Amino acid sequence: NAGVTQTPKFQVLKTGQSMTLQCAQDMNHNSMYWYRQDPGMGLRLIYYSASEGTTDKGEVPNGYNVSRLNKREFSLRLESAAPSQTSVYFCASSEARGSQDEQFFGPGTRLTVL
Amino acid sequence: GDSVTQMEGPVTLSEEAFLTINCTYTATGYPSLFWYVQYPGEGLQLLLKATKADDKGSNKGFEATYRKETTSFHLEKGSVQVSDSAVYFCALRGKGSARQLTFGSGTQLTVLP
Repeated sequence: NAGVTQTPKFQVLKTGQSMTLQCAQDMNHNSMYWYRQDPGMGLRLIYYSASEGTTDKGEVPNGYNVSRLNKREFSLRLESAAPSQTSVYFCASSEARGSQDEQFFGPGTRLTVL
Repeated sequence: GDSVTQMEGPVTLSEEAFLTINCTYTATGYPSLFWYVQYPGEGLQLLLKATKADDKGSNKGFEATYRKETTSFHLEKGSVQVSDSAVYFCALRGKGSARQLTFGSGTQLTVLP
C-alpha cells in the first residue's frame, strides 16, 4: 500500500496564478483532510470531507476550494494564489469511525507564491 | 473552541537525556489526545494516543498520560537517541462529526551525540 500520496512535492507560483494539489489514498478511508503548516503555528485545517460526496470548511478555508472526486481522491485548488498562501500543505485520511480515528498523512507539498 | 498549548522549542538534549514536552488542552467533553512526530522532509506519523482519562499511550519508549484534572498530556522519554530528532505535535480530536484534529504549534527536538 502506498498510503497517502500527494502531487506535486514542490511548486512555485506567481501571484494570481492558479493550481490544484492532488491527493489520493489507497486505504479505503471515508474521511479526508487538507491542512496547511506554517512556522510556529502547527497544522491548521483548511477543508475536510467526512465521506464521499461531502465537503466542509475548516479553520482557514478562504482562498481555497476542494473536490472529493471519489472515495480515493481529494483535491485542493487555489484559484488566485497569494503570497499568504506560501506554506506546506498536507493531505490526510482516516477511517473516522469508532476507535479507528488515526489520521494518516501524505508527504506534503511545499508551495511558494511570489 | 478547542485548543492545544504546547511547550515552545526548540529543545536540544544530549543522547540518553530525559525528555519532557509539555502539552495542555482546552476542549468540551472528553477529547481523544495524540502525539504526532514529523521527521525532516516527511509527513506526520502517529506516535501514541489516549482516548480516555488516565489512559497511558506508549510507543518506541515514549509515554504520555491523559490527565483530565490538569487537562494535560505531557510527552516523556527516559533516554533519547539521536534518531529521535524531529518535530513533535500534540493534538486533540474533538467530538465533531468529521473528527478533525486540532494541533499544537509543535516542538522541535534536536538530540546531540
